[in-house]
Amino acid sequence: GAGVSQTPSNKVTEKGKYVELRCDPISGHTALYWYRQSLGQGPEFLIYFQGTGAADDSGLPNDRFFAVRPEGSVSTLKIQRTERGDSAVYLCASSFGLGGDTQYFGPGTRLTVL
Amino acid sequence: DQQVKQNSPSLSVQEGRISILNCDYTNSMFDYFLWYKKYPAEGPTFLISISSIKDKNEDGRFTVFLNKSAKHLSLHIVPSQPGDSAVYFCAARVYNNNDMRFGAGTRLTVKP
Repeated sequence: GAGVSQTPSNKVTEKGKYVELRCDPISGHTALYWYRQSLGQGPEFLIYFQGTGAADDSGLPNDRFFAVRPEGSVSTLKIQRTERGDSAVYLCASSFGLGGDTQYFGPGTRLTVL
Repeated sequence: DQQVKQNSPSLSVQEGRISILNCDYTNSMFDYFLWYKKYPAEGPTFLISISSIKDKNEDGRFTVFLNKSAKHLSLHIVPSQPGDSAVYFCAARVYNNNDMRFGAGTRLTVKP
């Protein structure tokens, strides 16, 4: 079956602009996760959803970052007033459930803020 | 606060030999550990995991060893193949907690 997909694959924006990054999880997966990977680092947890609700958003760096999953499937990560330091690869993952279930990652969206 | 550390950014081995990738962690609450493999332009792919109740888990050419007292785990690949060339991430979490912490990764190159 289809894996996790993310769009766009690349996004270039100017400082101060608003961006939306989309994630389509594997069909039937109830848990969805967002990570951010900066150059030379491992993925850093941002937020995860169980169904439609954000079960843990403690990894979001500040209030410019927000994510939604209105119907319990597709999720959108929204970044307001982008800064150059937001430049990174944003990874989405999904799992069948929570806890020990394996997380399957998408290819990521590379965000570049000029 | 980097709770999972991979101190070797890169490793190069000859095809057919053993590759050993190392990982250290500082949080004693972690009880579930995973290794992910990542090719360029792709997301990380789950490789193998180990629970803290075990000290070894094997899956084909891949074996993960866990030393809880040293807070250290390692991934052994035997025999190494050129297709194993990728970045390998170590990750850890408290079981049933979804905040998974990753190391910075080790780039493995297997030379033919």
